[in-house]
Amino acid sequence: DGGITQSPKYLFRKEGQNVTLSCEQNLNHDAMYWYRQDPGQGLRLIYYSQIVNDFQKGDIAEGYSVSREKKESFPLTVTSAQKNPTAFYLCASSGGHNSYDEQYFGPGTRLTVT
Amino acid sequence: QQPVQSPQAVILREGEDAVINCSSSKALYSVHWYRQKHGEAPVFLMILLKGGEQKGHDKISASFNEKKQQSSLYLTASQLSYSGTYFCGTDRYSGGGADGLTFGKGTHLIIQP
Repeated sequence: DGGITQSPKYLFRKEGQNVTLSCEQNLNHDAMYWYRQDPGQGLRLIYYSQIVNDFQKGDIAEGYSVSREKKESFPLTVTSAQKNPTAFYLCASSGGHNSYDEQYFGPGTRLTVT
Repeated sequence: QQPVQSPQAVILREGEDAVINCSSSKALYSVHWYRQKHGEAPVFLMILLKGGEQKGHDKISASFNEKKQQSSLYLTASQLSYSGTYFCGTDRYSGGGADGLTFGKGTHLIIQP
């Protein structure tokens, strides 16, 4: 079955540690996205990539980094510079290069930093 | 700018209808609608495009008023499975590229038997 996988589902880290969240898709989609979801806030865009080896900052990129070395993979690193990293992180992908294509979401990773 | 959704929450009896609204302060190229169950991934419902084109599920209907920069999602004869949080997403830029979406804060829909 085609889809997006994120791992792990739950992640716990100590404050001051960097952590990398995995996102893999086998939909052959060009565009991939990372969103952060906090209670009552909706989804906010962290980074996105329209093509391999290229990515752009979203609305809340500070304290995060990404890479896009392969079409199917778009890992997100939450660095120690992110002041409030505890959140639900969602990865998504879309097939085309315009906003007419729906985004397919992965199951998410719930990150807790203490 | 984040679109504004209304109402924030709705409680319905099974079989009743609901309308969820999404309003933006900027010109829109497209509006996306998604539904999310608690702790799960958002699921695509509908996309409405400037000019009238749309795609999505047959059992869901929606409208897009380009002049007012508003969209409405119509849920008729609601079923228990319709429960969840509904989000509208709008283009971050007006050009219609794959630049990600800006989502509203969501509308919580509860369907009671």
